[in-house]
Amino acid sequence: GDSVTQMEGPVTLSEEAFLTINCTYTATGYPSLFWYVQYPGEGLQLLLKATKADDKGSNKGFEATYRKETTSFHLEKGSVQVSDSAVYFCALRMSQGGSEKLVFGKGTKLTVNP
Amino acid sequence: KAGVTQTPRYLIKTRGQQVTLSCSPISGHRSVSWYQQTPGQGLQFLFEYFSETQRNKGNFPGRFSGRQFSNSRSEMNVSTLELGDSALYLCASSFGQTPSYEQYFGPGTRLTVT
Repeated sequence: GDSVTQMEGPVTLSEEAFLTINCTYTATGYPSLFWYVQYPGEGLQLLLKATKADDKGSNKGFEATYRKETTSFHLEKGSVQVSDSAVYFCALRMSQGGSEKLVFGKGTKLTVNP
Repeated sequence: KAGVTQTPRYLIKTRGQQVTLSCSPISGHRSVSWYQQTPGQGLQFLFEYFSETQRNKGNFPGRFSGRQFSNSRSEMNVSTLELGDSALYLCASSFGQTPSYEQYFGPGTRLTVT
């Protein structure tokens, strides 16, 4: 079935460091891909998305490119801040027989130290 | 525009009881999905409703059920609660069903079963 694999955390970085969180997927068709972020005690917030191959999603300095050839959607940020500390989830969304389903990775906890 | 709201935010129940959680989607959104989040299993899809019809269901026992009303508000019910049902229950709404429509999440209901 459809699945998402993302790098296990936790990831600890210093402020202004470069961030990469790897995400690969398995899907039978052509899914839309998403990154969600969850701050402590809160629900999930959509960070960015891409709906077709070679699309680049970007938001708040974060970027991810939909790579069909490597089935990947890695999240990157050039310079992280303490406020970026959160759990990041990679997800794909497929239509199955006319209905919707989001499939999430396990999440990667990021801690950014000053 | 108001976001997705979930009530109650916190709930404590004892084993064997039943519980009903409520979700109000963003105005104009007709699709509502429910997810269970636990430290061990991560985010797991429960079910999805569109225009009052259940369109997709995850791999959960029949104790988990839901419904959607004509105003798109949704409720989920868990009967005969077990300790393992302790989790954060997240509701998400989207405008439509195709994968390109992103889902917006509520803050969740934290259910503790004792």
